[in-house]
Amino acid sequence: GENVEQHPSTLSVQEGDSAVIKCTYSDSASNYFPWYKQELGKRPQLIIDIRSNVGEKKDQRIAVTLNKTAKHFSLHITETQPEDSAVYFCATLYGGFKTIFGAGTRLFVKA
Amino acid sequence: KAGVTQTPRYLIKTRGQQVTLSCSPISGHRSVSWYQQTPGQGLQFLFEYFSETQRNKGNFPGRFSGRQFSNSRSEMNVSTLELGDSALYLCASSLEAGNSYEQYFGPGTRLTVT
Repeated sequence: GENVEQHPSTLSVQEGDSAVIKCTYSDSASNYFPWYKQELGKRPQLIIDIRSNVGEKKDQRIAVTLNKTAKHFSLHITETQPEDSAVYFCATLYGGFKTIFGAGTRLFVKA
Repeated sequence: KAGVTQTPRYLIKTRGQQVTLSCSPISGHRSVSWYQQTPGQGLQFLFEYFSETQRNKGNFPGRFSGRQFSNSRSEMNVSTLELGDSALYLCASSLEAGNSYEQYFGPGTRLTVT
């Protein structure tokens, strides 16, 4: 069945350090892999996404890598700042109509 | 453009009652998805609608149902409420044109069942 495993569940880093969050999915038919950021009390917002025909995508301090053979993708945040503190969710799109989310990673950036 | 809106924002119901939640997507968006968010289970997919048709459904009991209207507004209904239904219910709309799959979330409806 569809499943997305996300690790770690909690991540604490020092300001300026890098943070890496990893996700593994089960269905090889998945073709779209978004990452959402949810700040406390707010709605999830897309921060970056990648499609299955691309191995890596970067947007300023954020990058996502995809390994379709191993069925995993990762979020990389460099030069972390306190405002990066939030819950991050990975997700995959099944059959174009069903988005399955990982359990989330709570990131703490210590000033 | 106005963002995704959901009404009501907060709701308190008693076990056994039923509830209807509403979602208005961004203008021009025809796909609406519903999610249940709880601290322990994260974001769980409920169902997705496009042009008034349910295209996919998550693993929730039949007490959870939904529909979409011709103007793309969507409602979800939960009957015979249980304590475990207490959660934040989020809807998200998507343009779904070409390769655009980005979902825009509403603020959510926080449902408390007592």
